[in-house]
Amino acid sequence: QFHLVQPGAEVTKPGASVKVSCRASGHSFSNNEIAWVRQAPGQGLEWMGWISVPTGKVYSSQKFQGRVTLTTDPSTITVYMDLKNLTSDDTAVFYCARHEGGVFRYWGQGTLVTVSS
Amino acid sequence: EIVMTQSPATLSVSPGERATLSCRASQSVSSNLAWYQQKPGQPPRLLIYDASTRATGIPARFSGSGSGTEFTLTVSSLQSEDFAVYYCQHYNDWPQYNFGQGTKLEIK
Repeated sequence: QFHLVQPGAEVTKPGASVKVSCRASGHSFSNNEIAWVRQAPGQGLEWMGWISVPTGKVYSSQKFQGRVTLTTDPSTITVYMDLKNLTSDDTAVFYCARHEGGVFRYWGQGTLVTVSS
Repeated sequence: EIVMTQSPATLSVSPGERATLSCRASQSVSSNLAWYQQKPGQPPRLLIYDASTRATGIPARFSGSGSGTEFTLTVSSLQSEDFAVYYCQHYNDWPQYNFGQGTKLEIK
């Protein structure tokens, strides 16, 4: 059974960066594409971007371009989402999800990122 | 950028009744549309893809229809576990995959 494992929470300060991990369990995602979705408290789902694990190519929403970096570590089958210049508006749950042609079939449990001074 | 608009924002329905949720795309997305269900504190769960194909393990009371710009998710006989927020999402505009703003399905 394929699972995506994320840390439960991260706390950081305004102006800083956060790096959230997403590790595959039960199956390698070496041939997959992993997306990131943001959900602010009480709000809807916001697509941020995705990375093609075999090629390393990254595609991101215009809203997050220049602020988000997606990377992979094949040795630990982990994908990372690095978001910089954080503000309180970035306080949210960040989900990673494996997508297949744009269909988000498998989701991590989400990481709550709190931006607070 | 294709914008997805869901209606209504909140839908109140009694258990056992039918619920019909709508999703409209700002331009045609063909049948490249998915529906997700999200309960509090949980990640979204894929229900429907390709506008009308149920994902693995999804009960037959969930059905999707539509193509182009107008789509519908129907829950034929609401069970207590179906009350949640539902999102549509298109995947017709590679590599951009936008979601609608969601419809909250609540108990009447």
